[in-house]
Amino acid sequence: GESVGLHLPTLSVQEGDNSIINCAYSNSASDYFIWYKQESGKGPQFIIDIRSNMDKRQGQRVTVLLNKTVKHLSLQIAATQPGDSAVYFCAEILTGGGNKLTFGTGTQLKVEL
Amino acid sequence: NAGVTQTPKFQVLKTGQSMTLQCAQDMNHEYMSWYRQDPGMGLRLIHYSVGAGITDQGEVPNGYNVSRSTTEDFPLRLLSAAPSQTSVYFCASRRQGRNNQPQHFGDGTRLSIL
Repeated sequence: GESVGLHLPTLSVQEGDNSIINCAYSNSASDYFIWYKQESGKGPQFIIDIRSNMDKRQGQRVTVLLNKTVKHLSLQIAATQPGDSAVYFCAEILTGGGNKLTFGTGTQLKVEL
Repeated sequence: NAGVTQTPKFQVLKTGQSMTLQCAQDMNHEYMSWYRQDPGMGLRLIHYSVGAGITDQGEVPNGYNVSRSTTEDFPLRLLSAAPSQTSVYFCASRRQGRNNQPQHFGDGTRLSIL
C-alpha cells in the first residue's frame, strides 16, 4: 500500500556540518510534500514544503529536493546548529479524500558539539 | 494569536473511563484534525473536519468520537478508554481550500490508560 518512510531513524552530525535527511514515498499521485520538525515535548512545526511540479525549494538554511522519478524527498540543513536537534518528519498530501496528510516515521537528528 | 491550544497536557485514565481532549484554535481555520503519535509509527490521523458541522474519519477512528459545533473547537472523545489508546494526541488546524496550507499543531496531550 501507499506509505511514506524514512531511510535512517537516527542521524548524527557535527555542529557546522550540513545535514541531509531522506524520505521515500510510494504514491505517485501525491502532489504536495511537507517537512516538519518536532522538538521534545512539542508538536510538529512546519519547516518547508514543495509541490510535485517543483524539483527544489529553498528556505532559510534549509533546502528540499524532490525526485519524482525515484519517489524520493530530502531535507538539507546547512551549517547545522545545536538547535536543529529534533525529530524530522516528511509528510505527503494525497489528492482527493480530504487532502489528508500521511506522515513518515521520523528521523532523529543529533547535533554533536 | 495563541495558535492551537490543547488541554490537558497530561492525563492518566483507568480502563473503561471516558474523557474529552480539548482543542481550540484562534486562527479561523476551517480544517481541523486529530492525530495520535506512537513510537516508531509517526503520526496517524484519527478524525478530521473541514468546517463546523462536518466531520469525517481518518486512518484510525475506532474508539474515538468527534464533533465540530464551532469553527474554533474540535474536541476528541474517548467513550471507554483502552490501554491501546495510550499515546500522545495532537490536534492541528489549517486553512481549507488549497493543498499548500501547512498545518499548525498544538503541543499535544500525553494520555496513559492503565
